[in-house]
Amino acid sequence: GENVEQHPSTLSVQEGDSAVIKCTYSDSASNYFPWYKQELGKGPQLIIDIRSNVGEKKDQRIAVTLNKTAKHFSLHITETQPEDSAVYFCAAQPRTILTGGGNKLTFGTGTQLKVEL
Amino acid sequence: NAGVTQTPKFRVLKTGQSMTLLCAQDMNHEYMYWYRQDPGMGLRLIHYSVGEGTTAKGEVPDGYNVSRLKKQNFLLGLESAAPSQTSVYFCASSYKTSGNTGELFFGEGSRLTVL
Repeated sequence: GENVEQHPSTLSVQEGDSAVIKCTYSDSASNYFPWYKQELGKGPQLIIDIRSNVGEKKDQRIAVTLNKTAKHFSLHITETQPEDSAVYFCAAQPRTILTGGGNKLTFGTGTQLKVEL
Repeated sequence: NAGVTQTPKFRVLKTGQSMTLLCAQDMNHEYMYWYRQDPGMGLRLIHYSVGEGTTAKGEVPDGYNVSRLKKQNFLLGLESAAPSQTSVYFCASSYKTSGNTGELFFGEGSRLTVL
């Protein structure tokens, strides 16, 4: 099965700096890589995702890059703000030929991001 | 619009007791999931359902049972709770999409402690 490793486990940055979280995956058949943000006491929420036919995707201050050859993908947050403080999870999902099998994501272990004033 | 609602939010059990966690979604999603979250281990899939009346095992199914009698509800049961089942449980749901790559919508979690 798929195995996703995520680093670092904790990350502290100054407000306005950039933050980078990195993940590697093991199954070369994986083709969908979402990132979820979990605020304290809440459930995870999707913030950005990327499919294997794309190398980079941006959404305002957030970007994700994917290197299929090396089997790793990264989350980049620029101009960090205090409200970016949360736990971030990367995930991977193997390619599914048949529709109807469910979105069986394998999650990384999470990164606690703290943005300091 | 409530989204995904989990009950109860907190529960303390003694070893050997049984309980059921209820998940309800009002988005007419086909797929529903139960995950557990433990420190340093991320989110791990326990069981999931791709439609009313269907269930399937995930990564860590042992010690749990599930049922999906209605499309909007997904129940997670512990028949004989063990301390190893102390965790935060999250329910999620998603649309049925081509390639199965749709967004998961999570509830706010249920914290279970087994003494």
